[in-house]
Amino acid sequence: GAGVSQSPSNKVTEKGKDVELRCDPISGHTALYWYRQSLGQGLEFLIYFQGNSAPDKSGLPSDRFSAERTGGSVSTLTIQRTQQEDSAVYLCASSWGLAGQETQYFGPGTRLLVL
Amino acid sequence: AQSVAQPEDQVNVAEGNPLTVKCTYSVSGNPYLFWYVQYPNRGLQFLLKYITGDNLVKGSYGFEAEFNKSQTSFHLKKPSALVSDSALYFCAVRALLTGNQFYFGTGTSLTVIP
Repeated sequence: GAGVSQSPSNKVTEKGKDVELRCDPISGHTALYWYRQSLGQGLEFLIYFQGNSAPDKSGLPSDRFSAERTGGSVSTLTIQRTQQEDSAVYLCASSWGLAGQETQYFGPGTRLLVL
Repeated sequence: AQSVAQPEDQVNVAEGNPLTVKCTYSVSGNPYLFWYVQYPNRGLQFLLKYITGDNLVKGSYGFEAEFNKSQTSFHLKKPSALVSDSALYFCAVRALLTGNQFYFGTGTSLTVIP
């Protein structure tokens, strides 16, 4: 079946511009995570959506970052006024099952480069 | 603070030899532990997880890991390495007492030498 998809696969933008990154989770998966993977770093948790509950935004690094999930499916991560330090690979993962125990299915990521 | 440590950035092993990729963790409460693998130009893939029960967990591609509570470790092992095992390996931990976050290590690059 179809896995998690993300678009675009690559994004080059200029400092100060806004960008939107999209994630299409696996159908039926109730949980969705966004992570940031920087060179030499582990995966940094950004935000977590679970069903219709309020998202856990505790990992967002600044108020320039926001995310939404429409209809419990597609999610968009928005970065406003991008900075060079935002350059990274942004990964989306979806899952279902008992919270904390579930296997996450990752998308291929969006590689963001801020010039 | 909750954290995961992968003390080795790089592990090299000869094909056919056993391999070990190390992981230690620090969480409040009982941990749920995971290993993921990232092949070049591909997304992370699930290998195995420990939730409860038997400390030795078997996963995909012949990998296994042993949960050691006293040493707070969850090392990944395979009896005989293949060249195709060369990839980036991530350990992750989650504890329900600490919210919704999965904490990932910084990754260990495994190279299997033919």
